[in-house]
Amino acid sequence: EPEVTQTPSHQVTQMGQEVILRCVPISNHLYFYWYRQILGQKVEFLVSFYNNEISEKSEIFDDQFSVERPDGSNFTLKIRSTKLEDSAMYFCASSDEGVYGYTFGSGTRLTVV
Amino acid sequence: DQQVKQNSPSLSVQEGRISILNCDYTNSMFDYFLWYKKYPAEGPTFLISISSIKDKNEDGRFTVFLNKSAKHLSLHIVPSQPGDSAVYFCAASSQGGSEKLVFGKGTKLTVNP
Repeated sequence: EPEVTQTPSHQVTQMGQEVILRCVPISNHLYFYWYRQILGQKVEFLVSFYNNEISEKSEIFDDQFSVERPDGSNFTLKIRSTKLEDSAMYFCASSDEGVYGYTFGSGTRLTVV
Repeated sequence: DQQVKQNSPSLSVQEGRISILNCDYTNSMFDYFLWYKKYPAEGPTFLISISSIKDKNEDGRFTVFLNKSAKHLSLHIVPSQPGDSAVYFCAASSQGGSEKLVFGKGTKLTVNP
């Protein structure tokens, strides 16, 4: 069964450093998403991406965050200057039909120290 | 801003019995609801969904009930199996152009053999 692949599975970074989280969505999917889950909290929407541009973003997704689909297969989330509160599990998802067909990756656990 | 609430953080049932997981929502614009199941170190996996035009949707051992007037939905698992032990997330979306899912905090289900 097709799956969404995220790398790395765990990333430790120093506060203030830039970090790039990588995702390979399912190949025929057109919609791409990032969500995050702070430990013990709910899964929160960050951003959706369609047709090479952001289609929707949450209040969390401020100027420190950016997304890119650099080569037609990868989908990346960049955090420019990480803060302690960015520590969370970050999930990438892709879909071929919006909310009706999400597939989530296994997540990247980001730890900011 | 808890638009989707799962008030029971945990639920324990015996194998073979019914598991009932509950979810309440406050946003009357939500018109599509989903249940996801999540094992540790994995991403959420889609389980079952329901549109607001229905009040019940069934898929094998899983049934979701929607009570729009009460803004309440529930997931029934019959019979429960030990492999069903996981965290279950309720999610909602409004189909008017938004692709984002709003999640509850999750309920950890434990099915005891």
